[in-house]
Amino acid sequence: KAGVTQTPRYLIKTRGQQVTLSCSPISGHRSVSWYQQTPGQGLQFLFEYFSETQRNKGNFPGRFSGRQFSNSRSEMNVSTLELGDSALYLCASSTDIVETQYFGPGTRLLVL
Amino acid sequence: AQTVTQSQPEMSVQEAETVTLSCTYDTSESDYYLFWYKQPPSRQMILVIRQEAYKQQNATENRFSVNFQKAAKSFSLKISDSQLGDAAMYFCAYKGGGSNYKLTFGKGTLLTVNP
Repeated sequence: KAGVTQTPRYLIKTRGQQVTLSCSPISGHRSVSWYQQTPGQGLQFLFEYFSETQRNKGNFPGRFSGRQFSNSRSEMNVSTLELGDSALYLCASSTDIVETQYFGPGTRLLVL
Repeated sequence: AQTVTQSQPEMSVQEAETVTLSCTYDTSESDYYLFWYKQPPSRQMILVIRQEAYKQQNATENRFSVNFQKAAKSFSLKISDSQLGDAAMYFCAYKGGGSNYKLTFGKGTLLTVNP
């Protein structure tokens, strides 16, 4: 089975721009979670989707949003980028809430 | 809110030796899951081992085993016969039962394996 895939792998944006990141879960997985990883804050939960519904959201401003499609693929969007949004964004998928989350390789976002 | 603490920012071990990474957590829940993930320089987060809180038996996966002490809220990872490929950042993570869908991570322990 193919693992979790994330595109793009690397991205450079400037302040004020917006960005969309994509995540394709493992086949059969319906839950997709997003995490932000920075040297200062570590790994922080952004949100989780299951069957196109956001079930849980972390403590991030409204500039961070996401969605899930009927094929379980998920996108996250960050509007009005700030320098502090520079981070590794990790996507993880699982079959359901009690199951183990498997991570993709991440998208490294640099905001200049 | 649940918290996960990894008190060892860095650890080192000689190849073929054994090393133990520490993790403590704080929760008021009785039903939860604990994980160890490793993140090598490639930044890919890889599952090492998983423990269900309701299971008294400690989980093992080949050279990796845990010491789960529920009352003490302690969840340490033991790596036996360490290999160069074990060098990575190791994260302890907590996932609650019920409607708590997120993983809460510790700050990580950077493991160096010396040849």
